[in-house]
Amino acid sequence: EAQLVQSGENLVQPGGSLRLSCGGSAFFFSQYNMNWVRQAPGRGLEWVAYISGGSTVIHYAESVEGRFTISRDNGKKVLYLRLNNVRVEDTAIYYCARENDKGFWIDLWGQGTLVTVSS
Amino acid sequence: DTQMTQSPSSLSASVGDRVTITCRASHDIANDLAWFQQKPGKAPKSLIYATSYLQIGVPSRFSGSGSGTDFTLTISGLQPEDFATYYCQQYKTYPYTFGQGTRLEIK
Repeated sequence: EAQLVQSGENLVQPGGSLRLSCGGSAFFFSQYNMNWVRQAPGRGLEWVAYISGGSTVIHYAESVEGRFTISRDNGKKVLYLRLNNVRVEDTAIYYCARENDKGFWIDLWGQGTLVTVSS
Repeated sequence: DTQMTQSPSSLSASVGDRVTITCRASHDIANDLAWFQQKPGKAPKSLIYATSYLQIGVPSRFSGSGSGTDFTLTISGLQPEDFATYYCQQYKTYPYTFGQGTRLEIK
């Protein structure tokens, strides 16, 4: 069964950096476009970033552009999100999400990683 | 950006009821709309894509309809496991955007 498994919780100070990871298994990872979606405490879902299967196309939400970097290592079947210069408002659960290989809709989610930005 | 507006924001219903959640897009998104279900403390689950197509394993009591700017998610014959929060999402253009969510509660 296809699944996405994410790295553990993180606590980081404002202005700090961290990297999230998301490993794919039981599917041909490089053929799938991937996204990061976050959810602040008690709030709704917010799309963060997109990367195509071959890393040739990347998009970011305006709220993270210039601070976050999405990348992937298809050989290791891992998706990354580098968070730089984090702010308190970046506190959220971050989900990796796979797009279906026949379209742009999300069909599989990771379990989520809590990122807490606090001094 | 394409804004997605869901209504209602919360809804109370009983087991066996039929409920409808609406989602309106600020721009024409054709049929590039998905629905997700999220239970407390859990990751979202994909329910519907391309407006009306059920993801594998999703019960047939869930259905979606619409096109352009107006969409609906209908659950016919609510089951106890259906009480959750539901989100719509457009994937027509970047940035992808979600509705604010509809919380479905037991009456």
